[in-house]
Amino acid sequence: EAQVTQNPRYLITVTGKKLTVTCSQNMNHEYMSWYRQDPGLGLRQIYYSMNVEVTDKGDVPEGYKVSRKEKRNFPLILESPSPNQTSLYFCASSSRTNSYNEQFFGPGTRLTVL
Amino acid sequence: DQQVKQNSPSLSVQEGRISILNCDYTNSMFDYFLWYKKYPAEGPTFLISISSIKDKNEDGRFTVFLNKSAKHLSLHIVPSQPGDSAVYFCAALHSGGGADGLTFGKGTHLIIQP
Repeated sequence: EAQVTQNPRYLITVTGKKLTVTCSQNMNHEYMSWYRQDPGLGLRQIYYSMNVEVTDKGDVPEGYKVSRKEKRNFPLILESPSPNQTSLYFCASSSRTNSYNEQFFGPGTRLTVL
Repeated sequence: DQQVKQNSPSLSVQEGRISILNCDYTNSMFDYFLWYKKYPAEGPTFLISISSIKDKNEDGRFTVFLNKSAKHLSLHIVPSQPGDSAVYFCAALHSGGGADGLTFGKGTHLIIQP
C-alpha cells in the first residue's frame, strides 16, 4: 500500500530535549516536505527536499533541521524544542515526474513541548 | 501576509444541498490550485485540482471553479453527504517556482447536517 508514515504519532517532551520525528514514504517520490498545522494558521511549510541531499527552508524553518540521506526518509529534528513548537506536524511527498501533482500526506505527529 | 485566504472558518449545510467553499489568493504567480480534505486525526487527502488554464474541473460530486481575474476559486459539492463533514483546505502552487511547496489557506470546517 502506497503511504507516508510518521513516528511517533504523539509525543510529549520538555523544553530543550532533542527529538526527531521520522517520515518515510514507499512511493519512490523525489519530493518530501514538512508542514505544521496550528489553530487559525492552517498548514505552513517548514522544510522541503527536492531529492536526496537537497534540502531547503520553507516558510517557518526556525528551530528545525532536516536531512535527506535516503530517498524514502526525511526526518525532522528539533535540537532544542521550545513550547512554541507545540503543534501538529505533517510530512508529505510527491513525484517530480508530474510537477502539478498532489502531495500525499502522512497521518500527523502531535507534539507537545512543556 | 496571507497569500491564500479562506474567509469562512466554518460552514453548515443541510444534507442533499449544495456546499460552496470559497478561496481567494493574492499571488498572481500561482498557477495551480488544489483542494484537500482533512478528517480529525488524519493527514490531509487530495480532493481535486485545477490548472490556471482552465476555469472549471469536475470530478463526480466535486467541481472546482476558477476565476483568475478575481483571483478566486470555489469548491462545489453536490449533493452534500454526511461523510463530507471535514475541514477543507485550499492550496496554491507556482509551478515554475522550483520549490513545489503548497501555500495553504487556514481551512473551512464543513458540517453537513442531517
